[in-house]
Amino acid sequence: EVQLVESGGDLVQPGGSLRLSCIVSGFPVRTNYMSWVRQFPGQGLEWVSVLYSGGRTFYADSVKGRFTISRDDSANTLYLQMNSLRAEDTAVYYCAKNNLPYFDQWGQGTLVTVSS
Amino acid sequence: IVLTQSPGTLSLSPGERATLSCTTSQTVSNTYLAWYQQKPGQPPRLLIYGASSRAPGIPDRFSGSGFGTDFSLTISRLEPEDCAVYYCQQYDDYDDSRWTFGQGTKVEIK
Repeated sequence: EVQLVESGGDLVQPGGSLRLSCIVSGFPVRTNYMSWVRQFPGQGLEWVSVLYSGGRTFYADSVKGRFTISRDDSANTLYLQMNSLRAEDTAVYYCAKNNLPYFDQWGQGTLVTVSS
Repeated sequence: IVLTQSPGTLSLSPGERATLSCTTSQTVSNTYLAWYQQKPGQPPRLLIYGASSRAPGIPDRFSGSGFGTDFSLTISRLEPEDCAVYYCQQYDDYDDSRWTFGQGTKVEIK
C-alpha cells in the first residue's frame, strides 16, 4: 500500500527554520520524481519544489534560495529544509509523488505557521 | 502560465450535470492538464490526467475535455459525495516553476 506521511510542521517565528519530512512506503523515492506542494489558508495550491530521480531540483520563485529539497534513499524519505521563513510561508505542506505532468499520490499534509 | 477557473462556486441538486471551466493564459498541451478533487480535511485527489483520462478508481460520471487554452471537467450526475473543491493544474516543461494550479471551483450540493 502506498503511504506518504509528512511531519515536522510547527509554529515558528519569522526568520526561523524548519525541516519537513515525508516518510514514503509502497514505492522507492529514489526512482521517482517527488514534490512538495503547499496550500495556503485561503485554499490556493502552490507547487514548491521537485526532486527528480537523477537528483536535479527545481523551486518555485517564491522559495528559491530559502528552501532545499533532498532525500534519504536508505530511509525512503523526502525532506524540505525551510530557512528564512516568512509569514506568507504559512500553509499546509504536502509531499506528493509526481507522474511527471501531474501528482498521483499525496500525503495528508503538515501545517507550518510562521508568526511572532 | 496562469489558470483561471470558473465559476467560483457551483450549487446544484443531486442528479444534475456540473460543468467546471479552466482557462489557461497560454496554450497547454492536453498531456499536461489535470484535475483534482479536494474534500475538507483531505489532500487533493487526482481525478483526470492528460485532460481526459480518468485516474484509477474514478467513477465514469467524471469526464474531462478541451484543448489549447480551454478545458472543462464535467460531472454528469451529481451525487452528494461530489461536494468538494475542484482544481485544474498544468505542467510547463519550459518553465522552472513548472506546475501551477487554478484557484478552484467549489461544488455545493443543494
